[in-house]
Amino acid sequence: DVKVTQSSRYLVKRTGEKVFLECVQDMDHENMFWYRQDPGLGLRLIYFSYDVKMKEKGDIPEGYSVSREKKERFSLILESASTNQTSMYLCASRPGPNYGYTFGSGTRLTVV
Amino acid sequence: QKEVEQNSGPLSVPEGAIASLNCTYSDRGSQSFFWYRQYSGKSPELIMFIYSNGDKEDGRFTAQLNKASQYVSLLIRDSQPSDSATYLCAVISGGYNKLIFGAGTRLAVHP
Repeated sequence: DVKVTQSSRYLVKRTGEKVFLECVQDMDHENMFWYRQDPGLGLRLIYFSYDVKMKEKGDIPEGYSVSREKKERFSLILESASTNQTSMYLCASRPGPNYGYTFGSGTRLTVV
Repeated sequence: QKEVEQNSGPLSVPEGAIASLNCTYSDRGSQSFFWYRQYSGKSPELIMFIYSNGDKEDGRFTAQLNKASQYVSLLIRDSQPSDSATYLCAVISGGYNKLIFGAGTRLAVHP
């Protein structure tokens, strides 16, 4: 089975901190994605990557950046954390463009 | 109009009944359709995918696709309390073939 591993299950950070969320997949998947999920708002796409060193903005990229230096790892960076970035963050990957996603277990981030 | 629409529910069914979850989508060119189950506080889990018109069965789950009507559904037979979750419909659409998710239908199976 494909495994998508997110480095932290729960995180608490202070306003203004730079926050790194790490995601690693072990099945040589081409495509990787970062979402946030909030009650009543559903899944919202932040950034995605279709290849190493490639990144594309999703629907809500403001306040975030990403890095994909190696195929298996896709990092989400909150440049200066704010309280409105308190959310569940979900990483996902897939082999290619016609497949469904496999999600990681999620990181619940609280910014205080 | 939202790209993928689902009734938010909750859909309440008794244990042992058939639960029917529905989804409509706006992109006529969509070719691939997925159902995810998400338990409260957990991440979405892929349970079914369907590419062709008609029915696809996997255990107690049946996915149904009607491309002409732009409609996809998920039937859960012999519903169990452990099926209580939010079910997300997702459709491959648009540039980069991203998955577009519906907002989800909350299913509650009561004993």
